[in-house]
Amino acid sequence: NAGVTQTPKFQVLKTGQSMTLQCAQDMNHEYMSWYRQDPGMGLRLIHYSVGAGITDQGEVPNGYNVSRSTTEDFPLRLLSAAPSQTSVYFCASQGQSFEQYFGPGTRLTVT
Amino acid sequence: DAKTTQPPSMDCAEGRAANLPCNHSTISGNEYVYWYRQIHSQGPQYIIHGLKNNETNEMASLIITEDRKSSTLILPHATLRDTAVYYCIVISGTSYDKVIFGPGTSLSVIP
Repeated sequence: NAGVTQTPKFQVLKTGQSMTLQCAQDMNHEYMSWYRQDPGMGLRLIHYSVGAGITDQGEVPNGYNVSRSTTEDFPLRLLSAAPSQTSVYFCASQGQSFEQYFGPGTRLTVT
Repeated sequence: DAKTTQPPSMDCAEGRAANLPCNHSTISGNEYVYWYRQIHSQGPQYIIHGLKNNETNEMASLIITEDRKSSTLILPHATLRDTAVYYCIVISGTSYDKVIFGPGTSLSVIP
């Protein structure tokens, strides 16, 4: 199993650009989520999904869109990047005992 | 908001037991206590979880008080590689729910 994979590892955007952060898991987990982590801070939940076709907002959803068309994939879209979205983004999926498995993260800089 | 409170930082001598406390005074009957750690800027890693009984695995032990209002994660023989931020969270262990992380405890293992 590859576990949770995220692409790209690093990305630099200009203000106003859009992009999609990819997340995939091969463990057949229904629950997936996205977090952001600003320097020296904790994890903040952006969006989560309890299965294909079902998504919901977390603590900081503004400026981000998600969709879940398959069990495996949960992409995060930045609609119009802003410097305040400079952060490390982690994707996670949840196992049978409700434990979270995290990906390695995408480091995003918006200039 | 996170349902737990943890000290912001702790030190532990290498080779000694590290005891990390967590308060979760509003925990409800179907909620479990989960512990994760995050080494440097990697994705968080699941450690252990429990409902009301003490639990042990190859990484750590979890002691939950009888009233379930607090718990302690024990790393029996801390090494330098255990230096990390440790997160205690409380979530339902029977149904999907938002997984909210607090700021955690930054543990420094000192040679």
